[in-house]
Amino acid sequence: GESVGLHLPTLSVQEGDNSIINCAYSNSASDYFIWYKQESGKGPQFIIDIRSNMDKRQGQRVTVLLNKTVKHLSLQIAATQPGDSAVYFCADNNDMRFGAGTRLTVKP
Amino acid sequence: EAGVTQFPSHSVIEKGQTVTLRCDPISGHDNLYWYRRVMGKEIKFLLHFVKESKQDESGMPNNRFLAERTGGTYSTLKVQPAELEDSGVYFCASSQGWTGRLIGVNTEAFFGQGTRLTVV
Repeated sequence: GESVGLHLPTLSVQEGDNSIINCAYSNSASDYFIWYKQESGKGPQFIIDIRSNMDKRQGQRVTVLLNKTVKHLSLQIAATQPGDSAVYFCADNNDMRFGAGTRLTVKP
Repeated sequence: EAGVTQFPSHSVIEKGQTVTLRCDPISGHDNLYWYRRVMGKEIKFLLHFVKESKQDESGMPNNRFLAERTGGTYSTLKVQPAELEDSGVYFCASSQGWTGRLIGVNTEAFFGQGTRLTVV
């Protein structure tokens, strides 16, 4: 079946650096994507979403980029902080499927 | 306002036993979803309720899993009999609108903390 997946399982960055987490999807009909953050012992938490009529959306310290041509989206976190350490999932909201997740570790 | 709550937070049962997980969605949320993450792999969709009706149960792995949402409020997910491969974390989420193909509706889904199920 069609799936949503992530390029990298782990990412380690220095505090203050910018982080980029990537995600690929295969369903060309997908038109709505969500990024979730999951901290240890907690459920996924909504971060930001983007619809297919946009290629960029910004939130507080986060930016999501969508490239429909190559079916790729990314989550950029500016000035990464220790509190950003978590597993990040992208989800295709049409199918409500999630990728395996990328574990972001922020080093002080 | 209370968020999505799940009970229990952790359950350890023996193979062949029955376990019932409960999810209380945010009040007023008609949409309720069940997911599970097995062995650290991707989170997989199980099913979606709209009120008390099963909108989509295509993700249910087999007939050992039974989900109910009587009265359209809380939901239960029963696993009977449990197998070793059922171990994982089971998440519940709820949303006001339908997080699917409806556009323009508040579709943000809120997740519970999950129930960690261990089958030994």
